[in-house]
Amino acid sequence: EPEVTQTPSHQVTQMGQEVILRCVPISNHLYFYWYRQILGQKVEFLVSFYNNEISEKSEIFDDQFSVERPDGSNFTLKIRSTKLEDSAMYFCATTAWASGEQYFGPGTRLTVT
Amino acid sequence: GDSVTQMEGPVTLSEEAFLTINCTYTATGYPSLFWYVQYPGEGLQLLLKATKADDKGSNKGFEATYRKETTSFHLEKGSVQVSDSAVYFCPRDDKIIFGKGTRLHILP
Repeated sequence: EPEVTQTPSHQVTQMGQEVILRCVPISNHLYFYWYRQILGQKVEFLVSFYNNEISEKSEIFDDQFSVERPDGSNFTLKIRSTKLEDSAMYFCATTAWASGEQYFGPGTRLTVT
Repeated sequence: GDSVTQMEGPVTLSEEAFLTINCTYTATGYPSLFWYVQYPGEGLQLLLKATKADDKGSNKGFEATYRKETTSFHLEKGSVQVSDSAVYFCPRDDKIIFGKGTRLHILP
């Protein structure tokens, strides 16, 4: 069964450093999402992406965050200058169409020290 | 505005007990409704879905019926197992609000 993959599984970085989290969507999926989940807390929407553009973003997704699909396969989330409070699990999700069920990746655990 | 309200957790049950996790929605239209599950240390995965009124979604012994008259999509299972311990989420088809979910803990 096709699946969404994410790399790395765990990223440790120092405060102020840039990180890039990568997601490989299911091949025929067109809609892409990033969520984050601080340990034990709610799953928070960050951004949705379609047709090489951001469709919607939350207030969490400020100027420190960016997304792109640089090569038509990977879908990346960049955090420009990490803060301690960015430590969380980051999940990528994809769908084939706008109202379909989402397929989630296994997540990247980001630890900012 | 349109929203989904999900039962607060945690819910603790003994093995083989009957489970209900409540989920109600408000909407001007008829959104598709989903239940997702997050097992410990894993990402979210779709458990079941219903796309229109009176649809029943089912999977792994879980069921939920899309009830227009009560605007509900409650998750039920007749006999839970320890392996069902997880966090359960009930988003709408706009999918953006997953929230805290309902943490289910099954005691052996």
